[in-house]
Amino acid sequence: GAVVSQHPSWVICKSGTSVKIECRSLDFQATTMFWYRQFPKQSLMLMATSNEGSKATYEQGVEKDKFLINHASLTLSTLTVTSAHPEDSSFYICSASTPGAGYTFGSGTRLTVV
Amino acid sequence: GQQVMQIPQYQHVQEGEDFTTYCNSSTTLSNIQWYKQRPGGHPVFLIQLVKSGEVKKQKRLTFQFGEAKKNSSLHITATQTTDVGTYFCAGGAQKLVFGQGTRLTINP
Repeated sequence: GAVVSQHPSWVICKSGTSVKIECRSLDFQATTMFWYRQFPKQSLMLMATSNEGSKATYEQGVEKDKFLINHASLTLSTLTVTSAHPEDSSFYICSASTPGAGYTFGSGTRLTVV
Repeated sequence: GQQVMQIPQYQHVQEGEDFTTYCNSSTTLSNIQWYKQRPGGHPVFLIQLVKSGEVKKQKRLTFQFGEAKKNSSLHITATQTTDVGTYFCAGGAQKLVFGQGTRLTINP
């Protein structure tokens, strides 16, 4: 089946630094990928829709300058958390639509900002 | 915007008991999807329902889509410890909106 590879699986960074998270579709092309954020014991909140070759579409309340999304190819989308602060600590997950099989999610990235 | 409500938030059962989670949307859905997320893991696609009144089964799991395409349910018969996790419904045409999830814990 379809596989979405997400790296890193966890990262600890200092406050004020930036962190890049990669999401790759391994055996299919994904013109659109989605980035979610999940706090402990809560649901997935859509942050933005990543579109290959064009600007990402951000959900209301999500700062586009803080969460930079780049979708440079049909198999790679990246999310960069810029100038990270402790309140940005969360579980970030990407997904891509796979026809007939719903959305395939990456394994997630647990970000801790200290 | 579209909202997807899911109840209950938590459910604890004895192994062997049945379990049901319910999902309601504020708007008519083109389809509804169900996902399972194990503790510490990521959501895994279970099924997609498209037709009004549709019922699908996967072994001990039964999924229903309401006639009005605004509600759905997931029923697990005779739960096993491997069923532990959080079950999410999700709907939406261009982008998925997730319900709050139902966290299922099981007493062996």
